[in-house]
Amino acid sequence: AQSVTQLGSHVSVSEGALVLLRCNYSSSVPPYLFWYVQYPNQGLQLLLKYTSAATLVKGINGFEAEFKKSETSFHLTKPSAHMSDAAEYFCAVGNFNKFYFGSGTKLNVKP
Amino acid sequence: GAGVSQSPSNKVTEKGKDVELRCDPISGHTALYWYRQSLGQGLEFLIYFQGNSAPDKSGLPSDRFSAERTGGSVSTLTIQRTQQEDSAVYLCASSPVVRGGEETQYFGPGTRLLVL
Repeated sequence: AQSVTQLGSHVSVSEGALVLLRCNYSSSVPPYLFWYVQYPNQGLQLLLKYTSAATLVKGINGFEAEFKKSETSFHLTKPSAHMSDAAEYFCAVGNFNKFYFGSGTKLNVKP
Repeated sequence: GAGVSQSPSNKVTEKGKDVELRCDPISGHTALYWYRQSLGQGLEFLIYFQGNSAPDKSGLPSDRFSAERTGGSVSTLTIQRTQQEDSAVYLCASSPVVRGGEETQYFGPGTRLLVL
């Protein structure tokens, strides 16, 4: 069975600080991994995805994530938070045409 | 071009009534997915279509839920005899192809269903 765990339903950082959103997954086979972002009053959109090429994946808006097989993790980072990064972030696993999402992490950015 | 659209955006119904939720995918997208997002929960995968075919319906929560897709385009999710626990946001997504879980999905804004 597949599952995705996102540690921390709410994360708050100051503008300019490091953003770290955690995601751990369980999968019986090497998965495809995704981060989606949902801005207020908008639909989910892809931030980045891992598809077994480079383990460090760069996405839009300066975000990146590193696939660590030994830790079954796919944490999302951004060196310097911006006010516009305030949103809800979802980690997801894709396998055999099904997708499993974490419960989401709401990022708050303080001025 | 137009994105994925869903209608209605909000639906309030009484317990026991049937509801239909509609999804218009991006034109030309082969794959279509339905999800349910309950308050404070992640997205729960319900069903996907490849063309008009749904290879796996095991994600549907009960036999009160059904979905169809016609003409390789519009899809309808039907919930019969609604219950209060059906209250959630129902999201639809589409993708150009089915690729075993690698594909990027494009999401609609969702339908917020409230069962009284």
